[in-house]
Amino acid sequence: QVQLVESGGGVVQPGGSLRLSCAASGFTFSSYGMHWVRQAPGKGLEWVAFIHYDGNDKYYADSVKGRFTISRDNSKNTLYLQMNSLRADDTAVYYCAKQGTQAYNYYSDYWGQGTLVTVSS
Amino acid sequence: DIQMTQSPSSLSASVGDRVTITCRASQTISTYLNWCQQKPGKAPKLLIYAASSLQSGVPSRFSGSGSGTDFTLTISSLQPEDFATYYCQQSYSTPFTFGGGTKVEIK
Repeated sequence: QVQLVESGGGVVQPGGSLRLSCAASGFTFSSYGMHWVRQAPGKGLEWVAFIHYDGNDKYYADSVKGRFTISRDNSKNTLYLQMNSLRADDTAVYYCAKQGTQAYNYYSDYWGQGTLVTVSS
Repeated sequence: DIQMTQSPSSLSASVGDRVTITCRASQTISTYLNWCQQKPGKAPKLLIYAASSLQSGVPSRFSGSGSGTDFTLTISSLQPEDFATYYCQQSYSTPFTFGGGTKVEIK
């Protein structure tokens, strides 16, 4: 069965950096695009970034563009999110999610349990 | 960016009720509309993709309809485990925006 396990969250000061990881299993990781989605405390879901199956195309929300970088290592079945210049409003639970199986559709069909990032001095 | 507007933002219903949640896109998105369910402290779970396709393992009391800009999620007979928050999301173009959510509570 599909499993996605995020790690790397924690408390960081404003302006700091953090790298999140998402270990994938139960499917052919190198065949699917992957998303990062976040949820601030008590708020709704916000899409953050997407990377194609081969890593060649990446898309970002305007709120993180230029600060966050999505990447993947298909040899390790792992997705990453490098977060730089962190701000208080980046505080959220960060979920990784697998692209669904329908061709040419970027929906997410499985989600990890999330990792909490807190930006605070 | 495409804005997604859900209504209502919350509703109270009883077990066995028929529940309808609507989602409107600020521009046409064909059928690139998806619904997920989230329970407190848990990850979202996909219910419906491509407006009306039921995700594997999801009970048939959930259904989706619509195309263009107007979409609906229907729960035909609300069950105790369905009390949760529901989100629509468009996957037509980046950024892949979510609606604000609809919290379904027990009456």
